[in-house]
Amino acid sequence: AQSVTQPDIHITVSEGASLELRCNYSYGATPYLFWYVQSPGQGLQLLLKYFSGDTLVQGIKGFEAEFKRSQSSFNLRKPSVHWSDAAEYFCAVKPTTGGGNKLTFGTGTQLKVEL
Amino acid sequence: DSGVTQTPKHLITATGQRVTLRCSPRSGDLSVYWYQQSLDQGLQFLIQYYNGEERAKGNILERFSAQQFPDLHSELNLSSLELGDSALYFCASSAPGGFYNEQFFGPGTRLTVL
Repeated sequence: AQSVTQPDIHITVSEGASLELRCNYSYGATPYLFWYVQSPGQGLQLLLKYFSGDTLVQGIKGFEAEFKRSQSSFNLRKPSVHWSDAAEYFCAVKPTTGGGNKLTFGTGTQLKVEL
Repeated sequence: DSGVTQTPKHLITATGQRVTLRCSPRSGDLSVYWYQQSLDQGLQFLIQYYNGEERAKGNILERFSAQQFPDLHSELNLSSLELGDSALYFCASSAPGGFYNEQFFGPGTRLTVL
């Protein structure tokens, strides 16, 4: 069964500092990969996605992610964090064949930004 | 605003009761998905409907059922509620034509079972 691991439950960074959130997946083949953000009291918003091609993916709000097949990882990065980035971040995967269109989510990483 | 609406926003009920959560997808979207977010289980896929038909099923309990109506809105019915059913229930929708289409999430319904 496919699974997604986000090893960091909480991360605190200072405003203006760089950010990297880790995501590893376990799956027989490379799945489709996503990062979502959930602000307090809000639904999930898609930041970026990877289906194929260039392994460095640009998303909204200045985020990017890099797919590394050899490490089964899809880490999210931002060069300079803003206080408004404080939220919970979820990595998710979707199978490339079969399994319907369902997303399997990691457990999330709560980001706190210190001013 | 994703364009997906969910009602009610909050629901407080007692154990053993039955509730219905409602979701209206974005205009033009044919697929509706239900997810449960709880402290114990995290974010889990429950069920997907496409144009009125069940398309995929996840970790949905037998006490839970869903349907999608001809106007494409969907309802998730939760019965014989237990304390552990307290969670945030999200609905998402996606456009027809495929696999690559992004799922847009609603704001969720927070269910509290007392």
